[in-house]
Amino acid sequence: EDKVVQSPLSLVVHEGDTVTLNCSYEVTNFRSLLWYKQEKKAPTFLFMLTSSGIEKKSGRLSSILDKKELFSILNITATQTGDSAVYLCAVHENKLVFGAGTILRVKS
Amino acid sequence: DVKVTQSSRYLVKRTGEKVFLECVQDMDHENMFWYRQDPGLGLRLIYFSYDVKMKEKGDIPEGYSVSREKKERFSLILESASTNQTSMYLCASSTRTGGRASGMGDTQYFGPGTRLTVL
Repeated sequence: EDKVVQSPLSLVVHEGDTVTLNCSYEVTNFRSLLWYKQEKKAPTFLFMLTSSGIEKKSGRLSSILDKKELFSILNITATQTGDSAVYLCAVHENKLVFGAGTILRVKS
Repeated sequence: DVKVTQSSRYLVKRTGEKVFLECVQDMDHENMFWYRQDPGLGLRLIYFSYDVKMKEKGDIPEGYSVSREKKERFSLILESASTNQTSMYLCASSTRTGGRASGMGDTQYFGPGTRLTVL
């Protein structure tokens, strides 16, 4: 059965810390891996990764995919309270398969 | 600007009631999706549609049906609501990449969600 596992389930950090969120997957027909940020409402798109080893970057957020080891990480540097959210990883084969999410809380 | 809207943010219904959740997108997307989101389980796909009047079951279709009469609108129907359908319901849409056989598009844009409580 296709599976996407995120870790940790939740974490609490202080402003300024760097965090790394993990996503491992087992799917039959991998096309891409997506990261979303979900605050109080709709998930908003962060990154789409299709190739191994190529880092995608947006401000303090970056992400990379390892298709050999079947995982991706999402890094957030110099965290701010506004980074508090649920971070969702999803793998696209013929549909999106979501992980359960990582709850990040950044304390001031 | 990308926009997906859902008819209600919060809804409270009684067991056995028929419930309609509406989703509208203004991006002319071919694909539309209904998910439910529960703590610890992530988003699970209920139904999706890749064209008007077309629908396909997702991972957890039991107890739900859908309707897509117009391209911009995708409705989720709970024929007889039950307490285990209390959840957050999220609608999403995406473009079709390379036709249906290629998959359901990559980036999905989500609506704000409807938190449904069934008493």
